[in-house]
Amino acid sequence: RKEVEQDPGPFNVPEGATVAFNCTYSNSASQSFFWYRQDCRKEPKLLMSVYSSGNEDGRFTAQLNRASQYISLLIRDSKLSDSATYLCVVNREGGNQFYFGTGTSLTVIP
Amino acid sequence: NAGVTQTPKFRVLKTGQSMTLLCAQDMNHEYMYWYRQDPGMGLRLIHYSVGEGTTAKGEVPDGYNVSRLKKQNFLLGLESAAPSQTSVYFCASRDGFGEQYFGPGTRLTVT
Repeated sequence: RKEVEQDPGPFNVPEGATVAFNCTYSNSASQSFFWYRQDCRKEPKLLMSVYSSGNEDGRFTAQLNRASQYISLLIRDSKLSDSATYLCVVNREGGNQFYFGTGTSLTVIP
Repeated sequence: NAGVTQTPKFRVLKTGQSMTLLCAQDMNHEYMYWYRQDPGMGLRLIHYSVGEGTTAKGEVPDGYNVSRLKKQNFLLGLESAAPSQTSVYFCASRDGFGEQYFGPGTRLTVT
């Protein structure tokens, strides 16, 4: 079983819509969680870390559900500039390695 | 403050040739990583380093070697390139919170 799994999409949503992605992880010892954004043919860039209590950064909200072993990303009021691939990343407790999902593709349509 | 830089940006190799990819960071991070990204596979860890003079294997280390002689540099070597090593290679450094900063990538084609 893969360490991290994501629905690849694509998600095609109109501007202004709310969209949510989930990511499941297989190892219950996972401790740190992140969402990265990757534009076409570019490097991944950190979007936000995911904290146990959930956290928000502007239009973006991240949640962690340890019982069901998934994290989520909610994007409100989608902008054209949100079009990208969103990568879920997980790190085990005390570990130096990070495990990446294959990414979820989002296209925001005018 | 350039962050993480990688050279070269593009390279075409013939099977059996060797090359070194250079990664440099100016954020004084201890941890550095080399990943490869292939379609449908996500990023996979090749090797990583937890500090100057240290290296460790990741998920897909075969066919690659690394060195971290200076804290700011992390080199990835391919001794005898194979077509299966055609990929996009990303270097990253990591801060104390676990957040990674990536270089722009190297697109390598092995024919």
